[in-house]
Amino acid sequence: DAGITQSPRHKVTETGTPVTLRCHQTENHRYMYWYRQDPGHGLRLIHYSYGVKDTDKGEVSDGYSVSRSKTEDFLLTLESATSSQTSVYFCAISFTGTPNNEQFFGPGTRLTVL
Amino acid sequence: AQKITQTQPGMFVQEKEAVTLDCTYDTSDPSYGLFWYKQPSSGEMIFLIYQGSYDQQNATEGRYSLNFQKARKSANLVISASQLGDSAMYFCAMRVTGNQFYFGTGTSLTVIP
Repeated sequence: DAGITQSPRHKVTETGTPVTLRCHQTENHRYMYWYRQDPGHGLRLIHYSYGVKDTDKGEVSDGYSVSRSKTEDFLLTLESATSSQTSVYFCAISFTGTPNNEQFFGPGTRLTVL
Repeated sequence: AQKITQTQPGMFVQEKEAVTLDCTYDTSDPSYGLFWYKQPSSGEMIFLIYQGSYDQQNATEGRYSLNFQKARKSANLVISASQLGDSAMYFCAMRVTGNQFYFGTGTSLTVIP
């Protein structure tokens, strides 16, 4: 268990409203990631972080921003939600202390934008 | 360009038989890692197996093995003695420089009793 939680787990919102998803980890891992999962696309990286206040864009970052003010929390914000942002969002951490550096995932957040 | 390709949207296998899920990758990084994840219908992502680009031997984890062919840039997952609980989506992923990960589009495996 990598100690990753996501909140909320489910959210329904309306187009144009701001939305913030939270990822929390308990084990001080340096790397954290936000992905979205859509049918036919697999998982696509939105943003990732390699330390407090150190973040970078992934392949589908338009319309999303992130913040990491503490090691344990990585926030994903949709400034003005659109229907195309309806998706399942996964947070992940990477175990950089092992040879594999494998990723472990949170349980996911299902977001519906009406 | 970094890319992972899974060309099998869906696969069927008889219970107790072996099945191979295909994965090809493209990267110019000399050092990279290849992963397989399982996603059951409940939605969680479960790490299965890892292969490093410099590993000489194919990785194995219980009933899972990774058939790594570096020259062909392929990293196929082999599941032996399939069980009903193996029915799930399977994702191939690649880690490259900067600890960035790229995922394929997934293969849906159905095990038939």
